Amino acid sequence: NAGVMQNPRHLVRRRGQEARLRCSPMKGHSHVYWYRQLPEEGLKFMVYLQKENIIDESGMPKERFSAEFPKEGPSILRIQQVVRGDSAAYFCASSPGRVNTEAFFGQGTRLTVV
Amino acid sequence: KQEVTQIPAALSVPEGENLVLNCSFTDSAIYNLQWFRQDPGKGLTSLLLIQSSQREQTSGRLNASLDKSSGRSTLYIAASQPGDSATYLCAVGSSNTGKLIFGQGTTLQVKP
Repeated sequence: NAGVMQNPRHLVRRRGQEARLRCSPMKGHSHVYWYRQLPEEGLKFMVYLQKENIIDESGMPKERFSAEFPKEGPSILRIQQVVRGDSAAYFCASSPGRVNTEAFFGQGTRLTVV
Repeated sequence: KQEVTQIPAALSVPEGENLVLNCSFTDSAIYNLQWFRQDPGKGLTSLLLIQSSQREQTSGRLNASLDKSSGRSTLYIAASQPGDSATYLCAVGSSNTGKLIFGQGTTLQVKP
């Protein structure tokens, strides 16, 4: 059973470009969470999705950021018109249930905006 | 609003020592608490999950305790090894959506 798979591991984008980060949850997991780790800061929750639904997006910046988890395929975190402040490590976690279940994290995507 | 604090921020010990990492949270209404390990430039590895109804969990040389009423958890590492060097993160699940609130972490260095 492969773990949570994120790709790419490293992504470099110029200011103004779009960044697409992908996350495939563990087999059997239908709950996906995205977190962001800014330099010298802790991990912050961004969004929680189940298949085809956004359940909680209270941590998502209001503009330029969006997330989806389609019926088929990986979850996508999309950042439009990236700025230098978006440079961070973005982690995806999956779990088999909503509460009282263990969360498993991927290796992260390290986004650098130049 | 739930806040999670970890003390100390950094810790350096000689190999073989037993050590305790501390985590405190402001709202005792939690579902669970999870301890993770993060190596530099890597993802998070889950170490232990404690449900709100539990007092402690053990895995190998690791033991985590939970005192909900006082808003505290400790991670005890026995007979530390250089391979234990990493950042240890405490995360609290206090929402019915399952999202986690993380502390800033304790960076541990175990010297041979």
